[in-house]
Amino acid sequence: GAGVSQSPSNKVTEKGKDVELRCDPISGHTALYWYRQSLGQGLEFLIYFQGNSAPDKSGLPSDRFSAERTGGSVSTLTIQRTQQEDSAVYLCASSPRLAGNTGELFFGEGSRLTVL
Amino acid sequence: EDQVTQSPEALRLQEGESSSLNCSYTVSGLRGLFWYRQDPGKGPEFLFTLYSAGEEKEKERLKATLTKKESFLHITAPKPEDSATYLCAGGYNKLIFGAGTRLAVHP
Repeated sequence: GAGVSQSPSNKVTEKGKDVELRCDPISGHTALYWYRQSLGQGLEFLIYFQGNSAPDKSGLPSDRFSAERTGGSVSTLTIQRTQQEDSAVYLCASSPRLAGNTGELFFGEGSRLTVL
Repeated sequence: EDQVTQSPEALRLQEGESSSLNCSYTVSGLRGLFWYRQDPGKGPEFLFTLYSAGEEKEKERLKATLTKKESFLHITAPKPEDSATYLCAGGYNKLIFGAGTRLAVHP
């Protein structure tokens, strides 16, 4: 398909384990965003990448969280030593340009993380 | 602190009963105000961008308006398929989202 693809769609892990979440953006989109959505809450910004510029990591909640984007395409969000409060849906979005220009982000369906 | 607040948290309407959703914001460096629709188990889907006070955008039964401090999403004669969570967001390159309004439209 032509949309944003995220995997896995569901992940159950034990407290203290590391997890990796993957995002395949729409081809040609230079901007890529990660958000987190807890039950009943709005979307919490985590990080964005734009082309070859340094990413804006200002939303990452702790140093257990990191993200990379390889070759300007696929991105991986890594959470080390998971905690129960990390349980949430992690949403990835891509855009032809940064959100400020059009506001139109194309979201994937998310990866639901449950930490036991 | 940048903040986007939506009200009400939940809204139940009868089919055909028009209403409005509110979004108030205090976001530094606001570039635009954006509305999204989110269905259960799905990612948000873009609806509108509003850039300046007085601006209006329409799509089917939805109309979004913007003032200097808030935005409204007006729903005219809603149908059950309009049931969803409506999110607004503000900001520049880093969008700040509100918690959303869960809309349920009953036949």
